Amino acid sequence: KAGVTQTPRYLIKTRGQQVTLSCSPISGHRSVSWYQQTPGQGLQFLFEYFSETQRNKGNFPGRFSGRQFSNSRSEMNVSTLELGDSALYLCASSAGTSGSHEQFFGPGTRLTVL
Amino acid sequence: GENVEQHPSTLSVQEGDSAVIKCTYSDSASNYFPWYKQELGKRPQLIIDIRSNVGEKKDQRIAVTLNKTAKHFSLHITETQPEDSAVYFCAASIPFGGFKTIFGAGTRLFVKA
Repeated sequence: KAGVTQTPRYLIKTRGQQVTLSCSPISGHRSVSWYQQTPGQGLQFLFEYFSETQRNKGNFPGRFSGRQFSNSRSEMNVSTLELGDSALYLCASSAGTSGSHEQFFGPGTRLTVL
Repeated sequence: GENVEQHPSTLSVQEGDSAVIKCTYSDSASNYFPWYKQELGKRPQLIIDIRSNVGEKKDQRIAVTLNKTAKHFSLHITETQPEDSAVYFCAASIPFGGFKTIFGAGTRLFVKA
């Protein structure tokens, strides 16, 4: 099976702009989670989607949003970009529904906000 | 809120020695505890996991222990090799609604040859 893919791999934006990142999970996986990774902060949970429904959300402002499509592909959007949004954004898919299953990560999208 | 603390942030060992990384979680509802390894420039990959109904699990040179009462879990790597050098993340998964996985800040392990 093909692994988790993310597009684009790199993005450069300026403050105030908005951005949309895309994630295609492993075929058959219906759960997709998004994380923000910054040096020294580990992976910060953004949200988790399952069957087009957001089931959980982390402690991020409303500028961060997402959605999931019927084919399980997911997008996340960040509006009104700030310098502090510069990070590696990782998505992960899972075959399980309860959280007690392995998550498979994509390569990430590196976002730089100037 | 939910939190996972991970120590140490950096660990340097000699090849062949053991390495231990410790984590503490805050939410007692957590029931799944995976460990991920992330090599430089690569995506995190699961190396071992443990569920809340198990106290210890071993896979070759890697073992994980869980103390639910103390809300502690640890990763043990024996006979370390240079290729074990990477950042290791512990995590706790909370079955709330769907689930949310909270990661520790990571431990950068250096194995010196």
